[in-house]
Amino acid sequence: SQQGEEDPQALSIQEGENATMNCSYKTSINNLQWYRQNSGRGLVHLILIRSNEREKHSGRLRVTLDTSKKSSSLLITASRAADTASYFCATAPSGYSTLTFGKGTMLLVSP
Amino acid sequence: NAGVTQTPKFRVLKTGQSMTLLCAQDMNHEYMYWYRQDPGMGLRLIHYSVGEGTTAKGEVPDGYNVSRLKKQNFLLGLESAAPSQTSVYFCASTTGTGLKNEQFFGPGTRLTVL
Repeated sequence: SQQGEEDPQALSIQEGENATMNCSYKTSINNLQWYRQNSGRGLVHLILIRSNEREKHSGRLRVTLDTSKKSSSLLITASRAADTASYFCATAPSGYSTLTFGKGTMLLVSP
Repeated sequence: NAGVTQTPKFRVLKTGQSMTLLCAQDMNHEYMYWYRQDPGMGLRLIHYSVGEGTTAKGEVPDGYNVSRLKKQNFLLGLESAAPSQTSVYFCASTTGTGLKNEQFFGPGTRLTVL
């Protein structure tokens, strides 16, 4: 069964606005990752945050992790039309060599 | 450096036919994975391999077989295709587990079973 669950399922914003997506999971993890998928393409890794980290930045991306609440959020600042894609969180459970993906958030950024 | 490649990109099968999907990576990664992606379901792990000659079952292994005879290749087989196997299949690889296990994905194979 899928461990990560993203919220919201879909998000529609205007260019320049910020987009926030959330992910909740169930068991202990080594790390949590966010991926992007453009329509008809494979997933692309965006950012990884380890279980002992609380916040991480990469360009316009900001990820937070709260292990006590088993949740993470992805913030995309100053969104662009090119950010239109589906975003997935993936958890790396402790002791496992696999990732468990959520169902994703579809982000639409309108010009 | 091509990364992860998948062959074929598209395929239409009739129920009961068999086929093999090929995944190749040129990054010398130990770990390789096969996922299927269905609308509203996200990615579900079918089988994976932690090294040449090894395979393991994922979340949805029934109806599929895999082989990892060479480190760079991971094959996914459907012995007798069913309409429920209509999906988009993604292969991924990673250098390892633990703290740095981000996965690199191929472009996908869109399979339709009639």
